[in-house]
This record gives sequence, C-alpha cells and structure tokens, in this order.
Amino acid sequence: RKEVEQDPGPFNVPEGATVAFNCTYSNSASQSFFWYRQDCRKEPKLLMSVYSSGNEDGRFTAQLNRASQYISLLIRDSKLSDSATYLCVVNQGGKLIFGQGTELSVKP
Amino acid sequence: DAGVTQSPTHLIKTRGQQVTLRCSPKSGHDTVSWYQQALGQGPQFIFQYYEEEERQRGNFPDRFSGHQFPNYSSELNVNALLLGDSALYLCASSLVGTGDFTEAFFGQGTRLTVV
Repeated sequence: RKEVEQDPGPFNVPEGATVAFNCTYSNSASQSFFWYRQDCRKEPKLLMSVYSSGNEDGRFTAQLNRASQYISLLIRDSKLSDSATYLCVVNQGGKLIFGQGTELSVKP
Repeated sequence: DAGVTQSPTHLIKTRGQQVTLRCSPKSGHDTVSWYQQALGQGPQFIFQYYEEEERQRGNFPDRFSGHQFPNYSSELNVNALLLGDSALYLCASSLVGTGDFTEAFFGQGTRLTVV
C-alpha cells in the first residue's frame, strides 16, 4: 500500500465547475499536510497547507480529517489556468511524502 | 531573492556512467532534500542534508549519494547509472534547523535521461 494515495484522475471538467480531490495517508504520525500544484514539466509549487480546522484561499478549500487520515481539496469556479497536476503531500519529520498526483484539465 | 537553482537542466548519460547534479538553496535556508520523479509519478524522497550531514534517507540504493557544502549548496551523485534512473531530479530547500518543518521550495529540476 502506498503511503499517500490519491484519486487516479484525470479529471476533465468545464470552466466554472466545482471539482474535489481526495487523498488518504497511512502513517498516523504524519505531522503536516499540503497540496502542491505541478504544471507540465515544471517543479511542484505549494498551493496551500491543510489544517484540521479547514482552510480556504479564494476558490480553494482544503480539509484534513486526522481520525480518518483523509485530506481533501475543493476547487470552485474552475478556470482554464487551474489545469495542472495536484499533489497531496504529507510531512514526516521534514521528509515530504507525495501522492502520485491527480491531473486536472479544465476545458472551455 | 534567488530561489532554488539547479544545474544542469537537462542531461543525457549512458548506462554505467556516473552523474553529479547540483543545487543551491533559497537564501536563508539550511536544509536541502533531493527527490526523484519518474514520469507519471509523484516525487520520491531520496535524502536530506542538514549541517553537511545526511539527516534522512529514503529507499534508494547506495549508488545514490550526496553532499552538502558549508554554504548549504548540495550535490547528488548517482553511480553506475541504470535506464530506470531516467527521471526528473528535484532539489527542495527548507529551513529545518530546530526540526520544525517550514515550506519547501523546489528548484526547476534536472531532467536526466539514461540511454
């Protein structure tokens, strides 16, 4: 079993759609949680950190459920520029463990 | 403020050869981690350097080694290259210091092709 598992994707959605990504992690000792975005052939960039209380940044909302070891990302009102691969990431003592990523393609 | 810089950006090597990749961390960061990203996969942790020592290591063979210099820059060395070593190699810098994790910033990566 992979340490971090994500929806396989790809997700193909029209502009304006709401899309949700889910992720589970296996190590309950994981300390902090993130969503990274990676554009084609580029480096990953931090999209947002994820907290148990939930956090929102504009159209993006992230949620963590420690009891279920589950992380989610919701994107509202999708834009063409949101097309990318979204990586679920957990921190274990400074070591980042990545999911395989979920590809999102937003179409006009 | 320069971010994380890696060199070279692309590299083609032959099986059995050795390669050295380089990374300069973001200004003010003291920790460098290396990741391997195969096509269609998420990055896999190779190892992390802090205070010129390997602090953590992932499940990679001894053919993968590294070094951190006093100015915090780092090198990743891979010996006896295999076709399966073809990947994007990412360097990430962070300020770990006391052990509390801060945001990791990634370099643009080195794309290694082994033929």
